[in-house]
This record gives sequence, structure tokens and C-alpha cells, in this order.
Amino acid sequence: AQSVTQLDSHVSVSEGTPVLLRCNYSSSYSPSLFWYVQHPNKGLQLLLKYTSAATLVKGINGFEAEFKKSETSFHLTKPSAHMSDAAEYFCVVSGRDTGRRALTFGSGTRLQVQP
Amino acid sequence: DAGVTQSPTHLIKTRGQQVTLRCSPKSGHDTVSWYQQALGQGPQFIFQYYEEEERQRGNFPDRFSGHQFPNYSSELNVNALLLGDSALYLCASRSRGREQFFGPGTRLTVL
Repeated sequence: AQSVTQLDSHVSVSEGTPVLLRCNYSSSYSPSLFWYVQHPNKGLQLLLKYTSAATLVKGINGFEAEFKKSETSFHLTKPSAHMSDAAEYFCVVSGRDTGRRALTFGSGTRLQVQP
Repeated sequence: DAGVTQSPTHLIKTRGQQVTLRCSPKSGHDTVSWYQQALGQGPQFIFQYYEEEERQRGNFPDRFSGHQFPNYSSELNVNALLLGDSALYLCASRSRGREQFFGPGTRLTVL
């Protein structure tokens, strides 16, 4: 069965410093991987997705992620954090293990941005 | 474009009661999925509807049922509510092969 593990439940950075949110995945087949962001009282928003094209994926709001098959990782990065980046971030996997219809979410990483 | 809309926003029920949550998909979308997000956790897949049929189901008991209407809107029904059913229920819609768009959710509290 496929799964994702978000290695940090909480990350705190200062505004203007880099962001790194870590995610490892497990899948029997070549997976599709996503990062979603959830702001309080708002719906989940797709940041970026990997679907077996380029291993370095660029998303919205300056975020990017690199698919590393050898490390089974899909870490999310941003060069410079902004106060508006404070939110809950979810690493998500989809693939043949679940018939490609269901998204399997990690437990989430809460990003705090200090002024 | 209104995006995915869900109603009601909040709901309070007591144990044993039944509840119906509603979802209107984004314009042009024909597939609706439901997810349960317990406090402090990631969303968990309940089921997906396409062409008015349940196409896939997650690890949820039969107390959870759904329906999709000809206009692609959907309902999630939960019978015999338990305290553990308290959660944010998210609806997501998409068209074939495209990304899923999520609604803001319905917060269900079971007392």
C-alpha cells in the first residue's frame, strides 16, 4: 500500500529565511506526488504536483519540490519565507495502489513564520 | 466561477443521529470525492462518485453513504453518529484526468 510520512509536525522559520518541509513516500508503483496547503477556514489548495516528468517541480508562490526516487523523498522548499506562508502543508500520494482515484495524505506539517 | 461549495458550514449533532452534507462541484467537473479530516490529522478518503455511481471507497463503515445527482452535485450521509465522527468533511471535484479542487469543508461536531 502507498503512504507518505511527513517528518516534521511543526516547522518554525523567520521571515526571509529558507523553508524546508520534508516528505518520504512509499509506493509499489511510480506514484504521483503532490503538495497541498491549507490555510485556516479555507479549502486545500494545490501547490505543485509530480507526475513522472521533470524531477524538479515548480509550484505556485515560489515553492518547489524535488522527486528523488533513490531516497523516496519529495521535499518542499522555498528560498525565502513570507508571513503569508504560515499554514498547514500536506504531502500527498496517488497511484495504482489506490486505483489512482484516492489521494493519500500525510499527517501534515504546520509552518510558522516569525517576523 | 464559485469553485467547490459545501453546506452547511458547521453542524452539531448528537450520538445516534443521522446527518446529510452537501457538495456542489466546480463548474465543468463531473467527479466528486469526499474526505474526512479529524483534528490534527490529514484528510482520509471516504469515497468517490462518477456518473452517479460510487467508483471507489476508502476504509469507512457502511454508516457512511453517498449519492451523486444528475447535475453532478453530491451528498454524504452518515448514520448512527459516533463521537469519533466529529471532523471536517471535505468535498473535492475534478474533471477526468485533471487535478482535484477542494471545498472549504463542513465542520461536524457530535455531542
